[in-house]
Amino acid sequence: GAVVSQHPSWVICKSGTSVKIECRSLDFQATTMFWYRQFPKQSLMLMATSNEGSKATYEQGVEKDKFLINHASLTLSTLTVTSAHPEDSSFYICSATSVVAGEDEQFFGPGTRLTVL
Amino acid sequence: DAKTTQPNSMESNEEEPVHLPCNHSTISGTDYIHWYRQLPSQGPEYVIHGLTSNVNNRMASLAIAEDRKSSTLILHRATLRDAAVYYCILGSGAGSYQLTFGKGTKLSVIP
Repeated sequence: GAVVSQHPSWVICKSGTSVKIECRSLDFQATTMFWYRQFPKQSLMLMATSNEGSKATYEQGVEKDKFLINHASLTLSTLTVTSAHPEDSSFYICSATSVVAGEDEQFFGPGTRLTVL
Repeated sequence: DAKTTQPNSMESNEEEPVHLPCNHSTISGTDYIHWYRQLPSQGPEYVIHGLTSNVNNRMASLAIAEDRKSSTLILHRATLRDAAVYYCILGSGAGSYQLTFGKGTKLSVIP
């Protein structure tokens, strides 16, 4: 089946620094990638939708200048949390979808746990 | 977006069938019913989806009510590995659909 990886799996950073999270589709070309955030004991919240080669579409309430998304190729999307603060500590999960890989299914990465001190 | 309602939690004994209900009374005619599950500290994984007819795959079965206002995910023999949060989500069947996750049902499997 289609596999999506994320790197790093966990990261600890100091307040005010920036952190980049990578999301890769390993065996298929992902035309669309999604970024979600999940706080402890809560459900996933969609942050943004990213199509290769175009600007990401952010959900209401998500600051696009703080959460920079780049989808430069059909197998890679990155999320950069700029000037991270403790309230940004969360579990960040990406997913990818492709008509070729199976159009009715999203393939999720394993998630990246971000802790901001 | 049409919403779904699921019980907060359910318990099942290992190796017994599990029926996870989902109500979606405001479903539109083009909405597919998707089920995903999330094991602890992992990303969600696809379980099954359907539109009108009941569906079976290697993981589970999906029973859809005739009026489509409710559905039931059926795990035929629960294992410890099936302990997870199960999400019932409505959405387009197209490849680039957005998933709106609710709170889901936390399934506990008792050995």
